[in-house]
Amino acid sequence: GNSVTQMEGPVTLSEEAFLTINCTYTATGYPSLFWYVQYPGEGLQLLLKATKADDKGSNKGFEATYRKETTSFHLEKGSVQVSDSAVYFCALSKDGGFKTIFGAGTRLFVKA
Amino acid sequence: NAGVTQTPKFQVLKTGQSMTLQCAQDMNHEYMSWYRQDPGMGLRLIHYSVGAGITDQGEVPNGYNVSRSTTEDFPLRLLSAAPSQTSVYFCASSPLAGAGERGYNQPQHFGDGTRLSIL
Repeated sequence: GNSVTQMEGPVTLSEEAFLTINCTYTATGYPSLFWYVQYPGEGLQLLLKATKADDKGSNKGFEATYRKETTSFHLEKGSVQVSDSAVYFCALSKDGGFKTIFGAGTRLFVKA
Repeated sequence: NAGVTQTPKFQVLKTGQSMTLQCAQDMNHEYMSWYRQDPGMGLRLIHYSVGAGITDQGEVPNGYNVSRSTTEDFPLRLLSAAPSQTSVYFCASSPLAGAGERGYNQPQHFGDGTRLSIL
């Protein structure tokens, strides 16, 4: 079946460090891939998306490239800020958006 | 622009009690869903609906009921609360994938969640 695996956290970085959160997926066909972010006490918000192979999603300095050959969608940011501290979820969706599959989430702490 | 509104934000129940978690969206989205979020397990789909009068089960439907009488509202009912249902519950909505957009699936809009404790 479809599944998403992302690196376990928590990830602790100093401000301005480089961030990578790994995400791999298992799915048939052509899923769409997403990164969502959850700030404390809030629901998930879409961070970026990619809908086909080699697409690069980007937003707020975050980037992720849809790699079909390695079934990966790793999240990167060149210089993190304290305000980026949150939980990040990788997700896939197909068949019209039904039954979006989420990874377990990776908590990021950024120290000043 | 309210988006997806969930009520209540917090609730404590005793085992065996029933209650309804409310969810409303004002974006005219066809698709609505309920998830539960537990530590280390991400979000798991409980039930979903693709339009008024149409609902279906997700990954973990046992102990929960839903109905969709209007496009806007999608309440989740706990019939007889159990401690295993202690969790944070999220409602989400999205438009259905557009015609001609092969493989494109719309991202979901989430409410702020309901934190439920069952004693």
